[in-house]
Amino acid sequence: NAGVTQTPKFQVLKTGQSMTLQCAQDMNHEYMSWYRQDPGMGLRLIHYSVGAGITDQGEVPNGYNVSRSTTEDFPLRLLSAAPSQTSVYFCASSLGGAGNQPQHFGDGTRLSIL
Amino acid sequence: KQEVTQIPAALSVPEGENLVLNCSFTDSAIYNLQWFRQDPGKGLTSLLLIQSSQREQTSGRLNASLDKSSGRSTLYIAASQPGDSATYLCAVTLFSGGYNKLIFGAGTRLAVHP
Repeated sequence: NAGVTQTPKFQVLKTGQSMTLQCAQDMNHEYMSWYRQDPGMGLRLIHYSVGAGITDQGEVPNGYNVSRSTTEDFPLRLLSAAPSQTSVYFCASSLGGAGNQPQHFGDGTRLSIL
Repeated sequence: KQEVTQIPAALSVPEGENLVLNCSFTDSAIYNLQWFRQDPGKGLTSLLLIQSSQREQTSGRLNASLDKSSGRSTLYIAASQPGDSATYLCAVTLFSGGYNKLIFGAGTRLAVHP
């Protein structure tokens, strides 16, 4: 019963490097989203997807790309890492829209940009 | 712009005490409100979801109330236990841009000591 799986759990990058944060869910959820959590702040929505092939921007999309080729996977790409992107990243999925059904969260990826 | 505030930011109580966590929001046009629990190094677990037409929800020792007109919600924890130690976040759901969007508070960090 895996739920939402995020990899890697930790990552350190140098400024300017690119990388992909992986997210997979096995619950056949249509809705998936990426959030970042910074100290003293709540979670902020980066990008979301309402189904395979459909993505859209959230509150803080700059510097990030997403794609949704399958229902199960929703990777987040950092194009050129910047220190301001140091954060904890969470992937979430839900059966219905973000508020219709409880969201299921992964354990997060802790990312440091030097 | 919707803002969600949680007070206090941190709380330490002895085991067995009943306690109340507070959440306030600035715009009453919400779809629903959710309370989440976050353990250190983990993702969020949905505890209670209150629809905008409801006044409260209960699950075990947890009771959440919602007063839309005053922009407030409370999470009541009865007979607190050390296992309740975690960060509790509230989030309101708005309908924006064709998608239900969650706006999170920064959380209340709870420590229950034996």
